[in-house]
Amino acid sequence: GAVVSQHPSRVICKSGTSVKIECRSLDFQATTMFWYRQFPKQSLMLMATSNEGSKATYEQGVEKDKFLINHASLTLSTLTVTSAHPEDSSFYICSARAPTEFYEQYFGPGTRLTVT
Amino acid sequence: EDQVTQSPEALRLQEGESSSLNCSYTVSGLRGLFWYRQDPGKGPEFLFTLYSAGEEKEKERLKATLTKKESFLHITAPKPEDSATYLCAVPEEYKLSFGAGTTVTVRA
Repeated sequence: GAVVSQHPSRVICKSGTSVKIECRSLDFQATTMFWYRQFPKQSLMLMATSNEGSKATYEQGVEKDKFLINHASLTLSTLTVTSAHPEDSSFYICSARAPTEFYEQYFGPGTRLTVT
Repeated sequence: EDQVTQSPEALRLQEGESSSLNCSYTVSGLRGLFWYRQDPGKGPEFLFTLYSAGEEKEKERLKATLTKKESFLHITAPKPEDSATYLCAVPEEYKLSFGAGTTVTVRA
């Protein structure tokens, strides 16, 4: 149980275009999902918290107009990188908080974004 | 602010050479401690939840233990497939506070 999927696993886009990444909890409902960014050999950096049916909460320094988050259902959250630039190239990982006693987070496999 | 510190930063082991990783934390009112395994180019994989001091959890060659101030992840007779970065995390308000991780390399 507790499987989280992400799509696509890899994407290459041109500078100035937008890219959408999907995150799905496959076997549980998640009222809260999280989006992280990870640079090589560094730990996870939380970008934003996505709550079903409400606006996302962004961490300090994260541009909400560049990274659009939509949590339209209890099993789906999307991250759209708008007007992507090469500096947005990174590994993006989502997680879903399980409806358990300790609210463990289960992570997706990640999406490698390359902006050319 | 809660803090999570992991040591060592890197660990190189020979196959079969058991060892332990440490995760120390400062938190007011622990609401669980989580261990994850992360392989290169993949998202973290959930391993364990620990809550009470003295609690132990096991999975194959891994055993996690918890005291009031730290947690240990013991790797018994590791195999090359145990090579990964191991992360510990504690809940901090609505999010997780992660340690920097311990990268374990097991040589055959």
